[in-house]
Amino acid sequence: DAGITQSPRHKVTETGTPVTLRCHQTENHRYMYWYRQDPGHGLRLIHYSYGVKDTDKGEVSDGYSVSRSKTEDFLLTLESATSSQTSVYFCATASGAHYGYTFGSGTRLTVV
Amino acid sequence: EDQVTQSPEALRLQEGESSSLNCSYTVSGLRGLFWYRQDPGKGPEFLFTLYSAGEEKEKERLKATLTKKESFLHITAPKPEDSATYLCAVQAESGGYNKLIFGAGTRLAVHP
Repeated sequence: DAGITQSPRHKVTETGTPVTLRCHQTENHRYMYWYRQDPGHGLRLIHYSYGVKDTDKGEVSDGYSVSRSKTEDFLLTLESATSSQTSVYFCATASGAHYGYTFGSGTRLTVV
Repeated sequence: EDQVTQSPEALRLQEGESSSLNCSYTVSGLRGLFWYRQDPGKGPEFLFTLYSAGEEKEKERLKATLTKKESFLHITAPKPEDSATYLCAVQAESGGYNKLIFGAGTRLAVHP
């Protein structure tokens, strides 16, 4: 989606290294989310933000941290990457509390 | 615990062969039910939002309906370009901050 950019699109990293994924939006949406998508599990919420510097944990937050210092950027950090964190990561935004999400194109992360 | 189950996991149709996808949910107060389409290598794309039992939404060959326990995505006379994974998600009253809970999806393949 043109309004949401995820970077990098693909990354291979080694076990134990820190990794940061970036989500940048031009929609001026208040809400931002990080999901991971794995076969058989669907999309699972990692962390979300409901405003600048306001973040909270989702259902699979262990091993991940986030930061949001400005409206347009939401960073996801894997503090020490493990093979179980190999996945496709999606960022999403929403303008309001009862609106559907707009998704980015995803980041495919492989931890070796 | 809030839960979303989609069936079947995969569906193969001939072009023109109508069918339905099912999304059953267990939530503590439904705020909204969302349908998304996802093509390989891309992020989910928003299709519909349904808010109350009895509500219906249509878009081209797709029609979404909602009851108190499940939603159906009806596909009428599908074409090969309808091939994709269809995701269902719910927003629960207990979720807060517009968190969506996703099902694992139905992979639809439409053959000429």
